[in-house]
Formats: sequence, structure tokens, C-alpha cells
Amino acid sequence: DSGVTQTPKHLITATGQRVTLRCSPRSGDLSVYWYQQSLDQGLQFLIQYYNGEERAKGNILERFSAQQFPDLHSELNLSSLELGDSALYFCASSPRAGGGEQFFGPGTRLTVL
Amino acid sequence: GENVEQHPSTLSVQEGDSAVIKCTYSDSASNYFPWYKQELGKRPQLIIDIRSNVGEKKDQRIAVTLNKTAKHFSLHITETQPEDSAVYFCAAETNFGNEKLTFGTGTRLTIIP
Repeated sequence: DSGVTQTPKHLITATGQRVTLRCSPRSGDLSVYWYQQSLDQGLQFLIQYYNGEERAKGNILERFSAQQFPDLHSELNLSSLELGDSALYFCASSPRAGGGEQFFGPGTRLTVL
Repeated sequence: GENVEQHPSTLSVQEGDSAVIKCTYSDSASNYFPWYKQELGKRPQLIIDIRSNVGEKKDQRIAVTLNKTAKHFSLHITETQPEDSAVYFCAAETNFGNEKLTFGTGTRLTIIP
């Protein structure tokens, strides 16, 4: 157990809908990262927040947005969902802004029908 | 931006033999290189990492070597065991104000008993 929690574990929804994925980092970690992992694919970095501020951005679609709250938990919002958005979404946290181990949560499996 | 290439995509070795996975990166400013192991259905977990001021690092049966001039780094697993079967991801990161971990596409390692 890494200490990072993600909810929900599974999410099944329809095309065109909007969902919110939630992540709670390890106690004391200030950075939260979001990754997308499609079937048999690598980890695609989406976005990073550090202490409430956006720190780095990857290949995140405009339909996706994220934020980190004062208590450091983070939410990833996915809207106008398409079939291709079906994937495993991981959240990771680390104590610093970068350059060290990232601790991954168990992931949220999103299925868009 | 950074581009990380990883080879091979699949690798099968006899139990007890060694396995080597290689990665190349494009951004000469990258200075942190972690390796993550992801077992089936589980979260990625850091197994070893190396920074650019070090050429080699070893932890029991696993080792990582880095050649900054050639911009490549490798994971070496000796005396492989069935529990080493997993997908391994290399990654590279720069940490000069806009840290972003770029992952390779992964290597599925299968240990044959």
C-alpha cells in the first residue's frame, strides 16, 4: 500500500458524459500527478500539481481538467467522454516538485460505453 | 520535449538467467532516471533510480547503468525469478523548474520456469 488513495476504483459511463476522479496523496506529499494508461500502453503523463498550483502539463486534452485543493487532494475531471477515453487513470504523489520517487495509487478504471 | 524509447517491448528469459532492458532519451538536460515495475493489475512501483552524476547503481539483483554521453540507460536483472515477471517502465525527468517524468513504452518481461 503506497498511501495514495483513489476513488472510485471502477467507473462505467456513457459517451458524452462527465466524470470526476479523486486522489488523496500520501500524508505530507505536496505534488500530485495524473497519468493515463490505455490497454497494454505505457503511462501518459497528463498534469502535475504542486501545493495547489499547476506545475507541469503533458498531453492533457482540453476536455480534461484537474485541480488540487487546499487539503492537497486532487480531482481529475473528464468531460464529453469518448470511447477512446476508456483507460486506467493513475494518480501519484511525491514530497517534492520533482526529481524523486513517485508513489502511485491503485488507479481508477474508466470504461466508456 | 523529452522522448524516451524503450527496447525490447517483450522479453522472455529462463529462470536464473539475466535480463537487460534498454532506454534512450532525447533531452540532454534530463538528470533523473527511475525504473518502475508494474505487476498485472497493480500499480507501478519504483524499483531503482539513478541520477546523472552516477554511472551505475546496484541493489541486490538489479542494477542500472547510465551513459550520459550516449543518452542511454539500462536495467539489468540477474538470477531472474518467476516473481520478476512484470512490465518494466523506464523514465527520464528534468528538474529545472518544469519537472515532468516521461515514461518509456514498457517491456513485458516473462520468466520461464
